[in-house]
Amino acid sequence: GAVVSQHPSWVICKSGTSVKIECRSLDFQATTMFWYRQFPKQSLMLMATSNEGSKATYEQGVEKDKFLINHASLTLSTLTVTSAHPEDSSFYICSATAYEQYFGPGTRLTVT
Amino acid sequence: AQSVSQHNHHVILSEAASLELGCNYSYGGTVNLFWYVQYPGQHLQLLLKYFSGDPLVKGIKGFEAEFIKSKFSFNLRKPSVQWSDTAEYFCAVNAGDSSYKLIFGSGTRLLVRP
Repeated sequence: GAVVSQHPSWVICKSGTSVKIECRSLDFQATTMFWYRQFPKQSLMLMATSNEGSKATYEQGVEKDKFLINHASLTLSTLTVTSAHPEDSSFYICSATAYEQYFGPGTRLTVT
Repeated sequence: AQSVSQHNHHVILSEAASLELGCNYSYGGTVNLFWYVQYPGQHLQLLLKYFSGDPLVKGIKGFEAEFIKSKFSFNLRKPSVQWSDTAEYFCAVNAGDSSYKLIFGSGTRLLVRP
């Protein structure tokens, strides 16, 4: 059944650098992918909706210039955290839709 | 704006006990409702969903949930929990449109003691 992968699963970066996270739907095509952020012991917070071939739609309070989303194909969406700071450290989860949402395993970002 | 409330943040049960986790949502229109489970170290998995029809929905692993429209609730139940049910459970709502956009509750961490 529908599998979504994320790469990397874990990344540490220095403050001020940028980090790219990939989300792939492995065995299906997804016109829509979502990016979530999950803080420790908290729920998933929707960051943005990513539609193939068009600009992402960001939720209120999410900086679109800081969290760049690209959905270049029906199987790949990327989230780039630009000029990362320690407060960006979090667990980032993507999902891809095919009648329902299928979630990736998440990427843990630590900014030092 | 839509919101989802899960009142139980932490639940501890012994094996074979019955489980009920509360979920209430605020949205006046048609909704689709979901329960997801996140086992330790694993990704979110769909337990069950309600789109329309019979308000009592059966999911995987013996879980069920009942949609009560008048109470804006979608509580999750299981008659007899197992140690392997230890996980975090999230209720989620979609506005019933074509956006697939989900709003999640804060989650309930369930610990089942053997």
